[in-house]
Amino acid sequence: DTAVSQTPKYLVTQMGNDKSIKCEQNLGHDTMYWYKQDSKKFLKIMFSYNNKELIINETVPNRFSPKSPDKAHLNLHINSLELGDSAVYFCASSQLAGGRPGELFFGEGSRLTVL
Amino acid sequence: AQSVTQLDSHVSVSEGTPVLLRCNYSSSYSPSLFWYVQHPNKGLQLLLKYTSAATLVKGINGFEAEFKKSETSFHLTKPSAHMSDAAEYFCVVTYNAGNNRKLIWGLGTSLAVNP
Repeated sequence: DTAVSQTPKYLVTQMGNDKSIKCEQNLGHDTMYWYKQDSKKFLKIMFSYNNKELIINETVPNRFSPKSPDKAHLNLHINSLELGDSAVYFCASSQLAGGRPGELFFGEGSRLTVL
Repeated sequence: AQSVTQLDSHVSVSEGTPVLLRCNYSSSYSPSLFWYVQHPNKGLQLLLKYTSAATLVKGINGFEAEFKKSETSFHLTKPSAHMSDAAEYFCVVTYNAGNNRKLIWGLGTSLAVNP
């Protein structure tokens, strides 16, 4: 049973389209994250939610909108896709309450290609 | 500003020889330090962590790291490389100051293992 699962694994789309990536964790964690990994493997935090509340919102274009319907789910919607949005997007979760920051569990990534 | 530096972007070793991946951090507070591994086309996995207990930390797959406060370093080592160790390795630091903790990610070190 996968701990952090994200769908779809691959996404190929045209510029200007809108797309969503979904993430679910079954670890009972209170915090979820979206990371973007570029072609040079550099990892950049985009958003983090703790108990459905947005706690980290990095400098990300407002075309990106996260949504956390409950603690176990964090979705990412991207409007008006651009070529530069092509990357691998990783969802992760951790347990902040009880003091385990830094111990992240990652999904396998969603590779977005914008043509 | 807090930062983490992985001193080598690429490391190449022969199978059976030791591995050393170097990481330095800058810190105004007591850090927690982590190493993550990312195998090709996979998500990231926690290898090991230092959180102010023993300075020599053992992780999965035979890896270990030593926290050296005087050198502000947290280098990752393994006595004997295996082909399956070929992956991207990330050093991460977080700080025990406040509730809204950010993780500071290194740029990654790509480890190649030659037969």
